[in-house]
Amino acid sequence: EAQVTQNPRYLITVTGKKLTVTCSQNMNHEYMSWYRQDPGLGLRQIYYSMNVEVTDKGDVPEGYKVSRKEKRNFPLILESPSPNQTSLYFCASRRTALVYEQYFGPGTRLTVT
Amino acid sequence: LAKTTQPISMDSYEGQEVNITCSHNNIATNDYITWYQQFPSQGPRFIIQGYKTKVTNEVASLFIPADRKSSTLSLPRVSLSDTAVYYCLVGILTGGGNKLTFGTGTQLKVEL
Repeated sequence: EAQVTQNPRYLITVTGKKLTVTCSQNMNHEYMSWYRQDPGLGLRQIYYSMNVEVTDKGDVPEGYKVSRKEKRNFPLILESPSPNQTSLYFCASRRTALVYEQYFGPGTRLTVT
Repeated sequence: LAKTTQPISMDSYEGQEVNITCSHNNIATNDYITWYQQFPSQGPRFIIQGYKTKVTNEVASLFIPADRKSSTLSLPRVSLSDTAVYYCLVGILTGGGNKLTFGTGTQLKVEL
């Protein structure tokens, strides 16, 4: 089954404790991205990757890091989480940067206390 | 990127046709119109995409008038399971770092 998976689905952590949210897709997609969703603000793109070893900032990249060492994986790293990063996070992929249809993961609900 | 305006919410009943209109007055010549659906606690799901006139798939129809300043997503005979948030996105993907921007969407509630 074609899918995007994320882990963990739920995470409660404390300020300053580094964490990684994993994202993996099995569709051989070139383009992957991370979004956060907050009430009243819609989905905002954090980082994106057009292919292996190619990443760039989205609209709200502060406080986040990403890497794309393999085509299927695109982890989101919070080096020093803060309470304002409490949010619902989605990983997404699409075949290429020129394709409009995106596939989203199930989401990771992160709470930073 | 063209700014979009959608109703915040809509209510309907099972079996009715629902039309959600999105305004995008400053749409550019090469922009496409894309709609996504999001259920609670799930990621958005692609529904349909179009450039002009009418597009239909197994889920919905998309109507785009000649001036392309608005578009209407039509859901035939909705059921309770169509209760979701619907997003209208307008833009063009040309490679590089471009993206489609999600707004706050339209919350559709379907009742019996």
